[in-house]
Amino acid sequence: DSGVTQTPKHLITATGQRVTLRCSPRSGDLSVYWYQQSLDQGLQFLIHYYNGEERAKGNILERFSAQQFPDLHSELNLSSLELGDSALYFCASSTGTVNSPLHFGNGTRLTVT
Amino acid sequence: DAKTTQPTSMDCAEGRAANLPCNHSTISGNEYVYWYRQIHSQGPQYIIHGLKNNETNEMASLIITEDRKSSTLILPHATLRDTAVYYCILSGAGSYQLTFGKGTKLSVIP
Repeated sequence: DSGVTQTPKHLITATGQRVTLRCSPRSGDLSVYWYQQSLDQGLQFLIHYYNGEERAKGNILERFSAQQFPDLHSELNLSSLELGDSALYFCASSTGTVNSPLHFGNGTRLTVT
Repeated sequence: DAKTTQPTSMDCAEGRAANLPCNHSTISGNEYVYWYRQIHSQGPQYIIHGLKNNETNEMASLIITEDRKSSTLILPHATLRDTAVYYCILSGAGSYQLTFGKGTKLSVIP
C-alpha cells in the first residue's frame, strides 16, 4: 500500500460528460502528480502541484484541469469527454524535496462510452 | 530528461536472481537513476534510486557503472509476484516529474 488513495476506482460515463477524479496524497507529502495511461500509450505525465500551486504541465488537454486544495488533496477534472479519454488515471505524491521518489495510487479506470 | 534504453522483455526462473539492464549513455551529472515497476495495471511502484554509488534496499540492489552510462537492477530471488514491467528512468534536480518509457517486461517462470 503506497498510502496514496484514489477515488473512484472505476468510472463509466458517456461522451460529452464531465467527471472529477480525486486523490489523497500520503501523509506529509506536499507534491501531487497526475498521469494518464491508455492502452496504446505509456504513462503520460499530465500535471504537477506543490502545496497548492501548479508547478509543471505535461501533455494535458485544455479540456482537463486540476487543482490541489489546502488540505493537499487534489482533483482532476475531465470535461467534454471523448472515447479516446478512456484510460487509467494515476495520481502520485512525493515530499516535494529534490529527488524524492514518487509514490503512486492504484488509479481510476475511466471508460467513456 | 535524458533517454534510457532497456530490453523489451526478459525471462527469469523463479528463485534465481533477475538482472535488468539499462543504458543511459547521455546521463548528466545531476541526474539520478530511478527504477519503478508496474504489475498489471496497478500503480507504478517505486523500487530504488541512486546517483553514482551502488544502492541496496529490501526490494533490490542497484549497480551503477563507474562512468554512469549504464546500470543494472538486481532482484536477488525472483518470485512469481515480481512479474511486471520494470522502468528505468532518469530524473534531474530541475525536474520533479518522471518520464516513463516502455520498460522491460519481466516474466518470472516457475
